[in-house]
Amino acid sequence: GAGVSQSPRYKVAKRGQDVALRCDPISGHVSLFWYQQALGQGPEFLTYFQNEAQLDKSGLPSDRFFAERPEGSVSTLKIQRTQQEDSAVYLCASSLAVWEPRNEQFFGPGTRLTVL
Amino acid sequence: GDSVTQMEGPVTLSEEAFLTINCTYTATGYPSLFWYVQYPGEGLQLLLKATKADDKGSNKGFEATYRKETTSFHLEKGSVQVSDSAVYFCALKRSKLTFGKGITLSVRP
Repeated sequence: GAGVSQSPRYKVAKRGQDVALRCDPISGHVSLFWYQQALGQGPEFLTYFQNEAQLDKSGLPSDRFFAERPEGSVSTLKIQRTQQEDSAVYLCASSLAVWEPRNEQFFGPGTRLTVL
Repeated sequence: GDSVTQMEGPVTLSEEAFLTINCTYTATGYPSLFWYVQYPGEGLQLLLKATKADDKGSNKGFEATYRKETTSFHLEKGSVQVSDSAVYFCALKRSKLTFGKGITLSVRP
């Protein structure tokens, strides 16, 4: 496809369940980012990859959050033992490169996670 | 660390009114600055950007100038339309993006 895609678009989980969120970046984009957007707030950085290497995971809120991009393309954000405070929209973005600050990040539509 | 502060919202304007949305930032060095827009039911889209001091970004009638001396990147539009109703986010970028809280703009016919 032409843009960043994410699946599922909506996910409802019971507290304590594990969830996996998928991101398909734009073909050829080296860099991939995950952000968390709580209701009424701006997106907050979680982690980013350059190809398959996870170069910064400083934004992951706890060790229940784990992200991978094993082949340098598709990425999965996994949340273990979900808690109510994990309810948010999870955004994925991709760009041609990380270290060029002018490069635009293209965002996917997001996955809205609701933890009951 | 880096941070972005946006004016409090929401903002409601009549069509053809002048729009200013304030944005200030705190950062070391010279980050790039962006405005993103989120239309109802859609994902984040880049509206405009500026990569160095005194640069002016512009798109769809919106403008913002990178002011290093005041660490600001205020968004302006001379005549808003109903279709401009959306949430607007100011952001700065080194590798990752740091966003403000966003502000909801509603434009009445």
